Amino acid sequence: EDQVTQSPEALRLQEGESSSLNCSYTVSGLRGLFWYRQDPGKGPEFLFTLYSAGEEKEKERLKATLTKKESFLHITAPKPEDSATYLCAVQATGGSYIPTFGRGTSLIVHP
Amino acid sequence: NAGVTQTPKFQVLKTGQSMTLQCAQDMNHEYMSWYRQDPGMGLRLIHYSVGAGITDQGEVPNGYNVSRSTTEDFPLRLLSAAPSQTSVYFCASNSGGIGQPQHFGDGTRLSIL
Repeated sequence: EDQVTQSPEALRLQEGESSSLNCSYTVSGLRGLFWYRQDPGKGPEFLFTLYSAGEEKEKERLKATLTKKESFLHITAPKPEDSATYLCAVQATGGSYIPTFGRGTSLIVHP
Repeated sequence: NAGVTQTPKFQVLKTGQSMTLQCAQDMNHEYMSWYRQDPGMGLRLIHYSVGAGITDQGEVPNGYNVSRSTTEDFPLRLLSAAPSQTSVYFCASNSGGIGQPQHFGDGTRLSIL
């Protein structure tokens, strides 16, 4: 069974204080690992897809990295507008293309 | 480009009532899915469809029915609502390829009294 575990559950940062969110996963084979951002009252918004160990992708203050067992979402010098819940999901080989989601990390950035 | 549209945005039901949550997408995606999101539980898959006329169960299918008569629409039916079905429901679609992400609607907040 595919499993995705995100940590920490919640994270509070001061503006400018860099940190990382973790997503560890267990799958028989990986087609892709996704990161999403979810704002209150909204649906998740796609950020990145990572496909293989060693891959990195960046968008503004966010950088996602991937190893064979986990992914990190690094947030550099965050701003209050980065406050959101960040979700990780994996698309496994075999079966459908429907991904399995983790429970998310709630990030609050204080000014 | 509307993407994924869900209606209604909010709904309050009494126990035992039935209703249908609507979902439509205009991206010609083959895959459509329904999730529920509860505090501390993340997104849990209810049902999904890989194309018109084809549906399958997800992690938490009990109490819900779906059908897929067109590529665009994927309604979720609650036959006899229970308080345990109070949740936020999200519909998503994707094109079905490797690494293709889910595109989500903005959700339906459902309360069962």
